[in-house]
Amino acid sequence: AQKVTQAQTEISVVEKEDVTLDCVYETRDTTYYLFWYKQPPSGELVFLIRRNSFDEQNEISGRYSWNFQKSTSSFNFTITASQVVDSAVYFCALGPNAGNMLTFGGGTRLMVKP
Amino acid sequence: NAGVTQTPKFQVLKTGQSMTLQCAQDMNHEYMSWYRQDPGMGLRLIHYSVGAGITDQGEVPNGYNVSRSTTEDFPLRLLSAAPSQTSVYFCASSRNGDSSYNEQFFGPGTRLTVL
Repeated sequence: AQKVTQAQTEISVVEKEDVTLDCVYETRDTTYYLFWYKQPPSGELVFLIRRNSFDEQNEISGRYSWNFQKSTSSFNFTITASQVVDSAVYFCALGPNAGNMLTFGGGTRLMVKP
Repeated sequence: NAGVTQTPKFQVLKTGQSMTLQCAQDMNHEYMSWYRQDPGMGLRLIHYSVGAGITDQGEVPNGYNVSRSTTEDFPLRLLSAAPSQTSVYFCASSRNGDSSYNEQFFGPGTRLTVL
C-alpha cells in the first residue's frame, strides 16, 4: 500500500520568511512519481512539480525548491522569501509507475502574513 | 482547449437521491480519475479509467459507479446519496505512460452537499 504523510497541518509565517513543507512517503514500488500541488483559496488544484524516483537531483524554480531524498523517503518543498500570494493548501502526492492514480497526503495549510 | 470540465459546480441532494457528476476533457487523454476531497484528508481516489471501456476501483469506490463509453467523458454516478458523500469531487485526466510530461490535469471541482 502507498502512503503519503504531511505531518505539518498548518504553518504560519511572516512575509519574506523561508518555509519548508515536509512530505514523507511509503511505497513498495521501485519506480514511482512524486508530485506537489497547490490549492489556493479559490479551490482549484495547481500542479507545481513532478519527480521520477530515479531522479534525485534537487529542483529549483524561482522561489520554489524541492529536495528529494530517497534514503529517507522524503520530498520536501521550500519556498524562499514567502509572499502573501503563497497562502494556500499544499499537497504532496505519490503515483505509481504504470499509471497516474495518485495517493495524496493530508495537505499543509500555509498562511503567509504581511 | 477547455481542459477538464466538470458540471455542476454546486449541488445539494437529499439522502437517497441519485445523480450524475459530469466530467469531460478535450485533450485526448487516456487516463481519467475521480477523487473526493474531505477536510484534513487530502484527495482520495474513487474510480479511474485507463481508456474507453475500461474502469477500475480506487481507494473509496463504495456508493459510486462510473462508465467510460468515450475517451472524452467519465461520469460519476451516486446511486443513493448519503450524508457521508458530502464532499468536493475532482475529476482528473492525463496521458498514458511514464513520460515526465504526464501531468494530471484537474477539473475545477463539484461541491456536493447531501442533507
